[in-house]
Amino acid sequence: QQQVKQSPQSLIVQKGGISIINCAYENTAFDYFPWYQQFPGKGPALLIAIRPDVSEKKEGRFTISFNKSAKQFSLHIMDSQPGDSATYFCAATWGAQKLVFGQGTRLTINP
Amino acid sequence: KAGVTQTPRYLIKTRGQQVTLSCSPISGHRSVSWYQQTPGQGLQFLFEYFSETQRNKGNFPGRFSGRQFSNSRSEMNVSTLELGDSALYLCASNPPGTGWTEAFFGQGTRLTVV
Repeated sequence: QQQVKQSPQSLIVQKGGISIINCAYENTAFDYFPWYQQFPGKGPALLIAIRPDVSEKKEGRFTISFNKSAKQFSLHIMDSQPGDSATYFCAATWGAQKLVFGQGTRLTINP
Repeated sequence: KAGVTQTPRYLIKTRGQQVTLSCSPISGHRSVSWYQQTPGQGLQFLFEYFSETQRNKGNFPGRFSGRQFSNSRSEMNVSTLELGDSALYLCASNPPGTGWTEAFFGQGTRLTVV
């Protein structure tokens, strides 16, 4: 119940395309769903986050879509650029509890 | 403001040895968490410390331990190293009162066990 399942494991998108990464969870106590971006040799960095009382949050080219009834959420990267090539992790937490991470998606944007 | 600092960046150890990794959180941050990152497994939670006390613990064997000092700096120790312990170990800290909604990660320590 503590798990967050993420797919796909790897994704290749052409420059200018839309990248979509999906996550699913079981624990309905989760109340905060962040996405982290990690470049090689760096630690993960917070990219965007959402709470379950909204269905969508957009920041620039990055959008989180949240489906509370299905217990799923996804990251959309519009107009994907080579600089977006990185590993993306979805995560979930509640209260002051630890972050639970998905397995990660290695995204490659081909120029 | 300096970020989360982890030392050393790289380590090579032999099976059976022990290792100590260090993490200095962002100034003012009192919570520190440790994660193990391996390909395909994502980030696995090891433990969390707050004000020198372990607050949460993940599902790792007792060979993995940690501690936090009064200045919030934290160390983790792995004894009797196994080949499977090879991983990137990440430390994160968060500002007071935010829970883990704002986690700041260090660059990690890459441990290789041979």
